[in-house]
Amino acid sequence: DQQVKQNSPSLSVQEGRISILNCDYTNSMFDYFLWYKKYPAEGPTFLISISSIKDKNEDGRFTVFLNKSAKHLSLHIVPSQPGDSAVYFCAATNQGGKLIFGQGTELSVKP
Amino acid sequence: DGGITQSPKYLFRKEGQNVTLSCEQNLNHDAMYWYRQDPGQGLRLIYYSQIVNDFQKGDIAEGYSVSREKKESFPLTVTSAQKNPTAFYLCASSLSGSGHNEQFFGPGTRLTVL
Repeated sequence: DQQVKQNSPSLSVQEGRISILNCDYTNSMFDYFLWYKKYPAEGPTFLISISSIKDKNEDGRFTVFLNKSAKHLSLHIVPSQPGDSAVYFCAATNQGGKLIFGQGTELSVKP
Repeated sequence: DGGITQSPKYLFRKEGQNVTLSCEQNLNHDAMYWYRQDPGQGLRLIYYSQIVNDFQKGDIAEGYSVSREKKESFPLTVTSAQKNPTAFYLCASSLSGSGHNEQFFGPGTRLTVL
């Protein structure tokens, strides 16, 4: 049972445009969500997070939106840069410390 | 400088052999985690430890074992009982094993069974 789902395995975007990565979850007990970025053969690095008491969190070019009623979150990157090309994982937790990860979306930003 | 180290980066083993993957952190974090990554499946939790001398099974613990004798170290042994051990293994740590804590990841170990 996949509690966190990223239904798009890949996404291709032109440099300078907006990248939108989506994530759905099924467990209504999740109250904290994170996005990680991963390059090949490296460990994931933390990007941005959001608590369930908020619906938006912004950090520079990265914004995460949370829609609790739809159990959906999205990561917006604007403007997209070639260095943003990586695999992006969303993750969720409910105070227990354990993170549940989605399958990942591979973003390719074309110059 | 602080961080998480995993060694070796690449590891080859013959079928039927046990192998131990190292994970060390100097972040003074209480909690440590082991994940494996397979293509198209994201990160799956193998074992985690919220405090020294304590650890719990994750979602896919069969064929693996761990120990947590020191706060900074959380080695993972892949035993011969693990049916499909070839994967990319990631170690992580967080300040605490409860609440909302960002996990910091090591660079990973690629294990290949020949």
